[in-house]
Amino acid sequence: GENVEQHPSTLSVQEGDSAVIKCTYSDSASNYFPWYKQELGKGPQLIIDIRSNVGEKKDQRIAVTLNKTAKHFSLHITETQPEDSAVYFCAASIGAQKLVFGQGTRLTINP
Amino acid sequence: DVKVTQSSRYLVKRTGEKVFLECVQDMDHENMFWYRQDPGLGLRLIYFSYDVKMKEKGDIPEGYSVSREKKERFSLILESASTNQTSMYLCASSLWTGDSGNTIYFGEGSWLTVV
Repeated sequence: GENVEQHPSTLSVQEGDSAVIKCTYSDSASNYFPWYKQELGKGPQLIIDIRSNVGEKKDQRIAVTLNKTAKHFSLHITETQPEDSAVYFCAASIGAQKLVFGQGTRLTINP
Repeated sequence: DVKVTQSSRYLVKRTGEKVFLECVQDMDHENMFWYRQDPGLGLRLIYFSYDVKMKEKGDIPEGYSVSREKKERFSLILESASTNQTSMYLCASSLWTGDSGNTIYFGEGSWLTVV
């Protein structure tokens, strides 16, 4: 089955700097790659997603890139702010519904 | 907005007890899921359901069962709770459109401690 590896497990950046989180997946048939943000005491919330027919997608300060050949995808957050501090999860799915998640990255933004 | 509601946020149960975790979604979604979240392991799928009275095992179904009698409600059952089932449980739902990659919406989570 699909396996998703996420790195790093923790990341600390200065406010205003960029943060990058990387994931690799094992099954070349995976075609949907969402990113979720989980704040303390809350459930994960979708922040951006990308499908296998697209190489890059941006939404304001957040961007995701996908390299299907290498089977990896990355989350980029620019101009980080304190409210970006959270746990971030990548995920991959084959077909419509079942997501396999990475292990999570705890991002801390230092003022 | 989609709302996935988990009725119990914090529970403490004794080893051997039968535990019910309830989840309700208000967006008429066909698909519902139960995940378990543990530090360093991410979210792991326990069971999911594509329709009423339908269920399929996820990656870690052992020790769990589920019930989906109505479209909006999906229950996770621990038949005999054990300490290794102490965890955060997340319910989720999504719409079925037949395409890949439909957004999955999560509830706020239920923290279960088994003593």
